[in-house]
Amino acid sequence: EDQVTQSPEALRLQEGESSSLNCSYTVSGLRGLFWYRQDPGKGPEFLFTLYSAGEEKEKERLKATLTKKESFLHITAPKPEDSATYLCAVQRARSNDYKLSFGAGTTVTVRA
Amino acid sequence: GAGVSQSPSNKVTEKGKDVELRCDPISGHTALYWYRQSLGQGLEFLIYFQGNSAPDKSGLPSDRFSAERTGGSVSTLTIQRTQQEDSAVYLCASSLTGGAGNQPQHFGDGTRLSIL
Repeated sequence: EDQVTQSPEALRLQEGESSSLNCSYTVSGLRGLFWYRQDPGKGPEFLFTLYSAGEEKEKERLKATLTKKESFLHITAPKPEDSATYLCAVQRARSNDYKLSFGAGTTVTVRA
Repeated sequence: GAGVSQSPSNKVTEKGKDVELRCDPISGHTALYWYRQSLGQGLEFLIYFQGNSAPDKSGLPSDRFSAERTGGSVSTLTIQRTQQEDSAVYLCASSLTGGAGNQPQHFGDGTRLSIL
């Protein structure tokens, strides 16, 4: 069974204080690893897909990286608007199986 | 707007009643997914539709849960004889096809279901 573990559960940062979120995963064949951002009362918003070890993706202050066992989401010089819950999910490389298995998320709070 | 639309946004009902939750996917998206998000837990897959293929129902927690998708577009998730443990946010997502990661799943804002 696929397992996705995110750490830490919560992260409080000062504006401008860079940090990283971890997503450890176990899956029998990875099709893709996904990062989403979720604001309170809203649905998850797609950020990145990573397919293979060594791959990196960037968007504004966010950078996602992937190894064979984990992914990191780096937040550089965060701003208060980066406060959200960040979700990691994996999709198995199996025919006709496209569901996502999610971690419990990391809640990031950025103080001005 | 152009995103996934879910209704109602909130639903409060008594234990034992049936509820129907609706999802309008993004126009042109052939794949549709239902997930459940309980307080303090990750999203849990429920069911997946792709075009005219038989749905993947492997995530439905009991036979009280069912879903249909009419005309390859709108989907309805039905929960019969609701129980308190059914209280959660029910999220719908759609993707262009049921496939590769360059076709990510886009989520609606969910229906918050509360069972009294």
